[in-house]
Amino acid sequence: DAGITQSPRHKVTETGTPVTLRCHQTENHRYMYWYRQDPGHGLRLIHYSYGVKDTDKGEVSDGYSVSRSKTEDFLLTLESATSSQTSVYFCAISPSPGQRGDTQYFGPGTRLTVL
Amino acid sequence: AQKVTQAQTEISVVEKEDVTLDCVYETRDTTYYLFWYKQPPSGELVFLIRRNSFDEQNEISGRYSWNFQKSTSSFNFTITASQVVDSAVYFCALRRGGADGLTFGKGTHLIIQP
Repeated sequence: DAGITQSPRHKVTETGTPVTLRCHQTENHRYMYWYRQDPGHGLRLIHYSYGVKDTDKGEVSDGYSVSRSKTEDFLLTLESATSSQTSVYFCAISPSPGQRGDTQYFGPGTRLTVL
Repeated sequence: AQKVTQAQTEISVVEKEDVTLDCVYETRDTTYYLFWYKQPPSGELVFLIRRNSFDEQNEISGRYSWNFQKSTSSFNFTITASQVVDSAVYFCALRRGGADGLTFGKGTHLIIQP
């Protein structure tokens, strides 16, 4: 199994508060991703990173920011949480294209509830 | 734009039956990759298979098999002799070449009844 951890695993917060989710990997993979999973929507890409300090937006990036200052850590920040951001958040990692099929492997997920 | 359609929201079968999960995709890219993931009730996402657009060879892994047909833009997944442990939500996903993220279907909830 790929070495991916997410913290916290569960969080309850109030509308308007900032929230940061952390994804940590021990695989030294170049690419990291944040997805959210909602009933009826499957998983949708929020942001991704293709290297330290290199990030790009995904399909549902509004209201989220990311940072990657080290290869192993990818942070997702909700600047001012809203109830619509209640979701399960998954981090994924993959090696560079062409290596091991560049399959994305997922972390255990973080369940975030915004009241 | 890319799109993945899993028309079967939920399937319920009795143990030992064969079951096929359908996946239809849309993309304008000539190079792309298709995936299946399993999400058991515990919630983690488990990688099952990856297929390149230039490799239409079908694959079998134990009770699992995958049928990739570019002519119909489909990548279907069959479980033979289903077992209760196969109960999960199964996601089909698509990615273009490069660093892009995955485009997921909405998933099929498979229920295997004993």
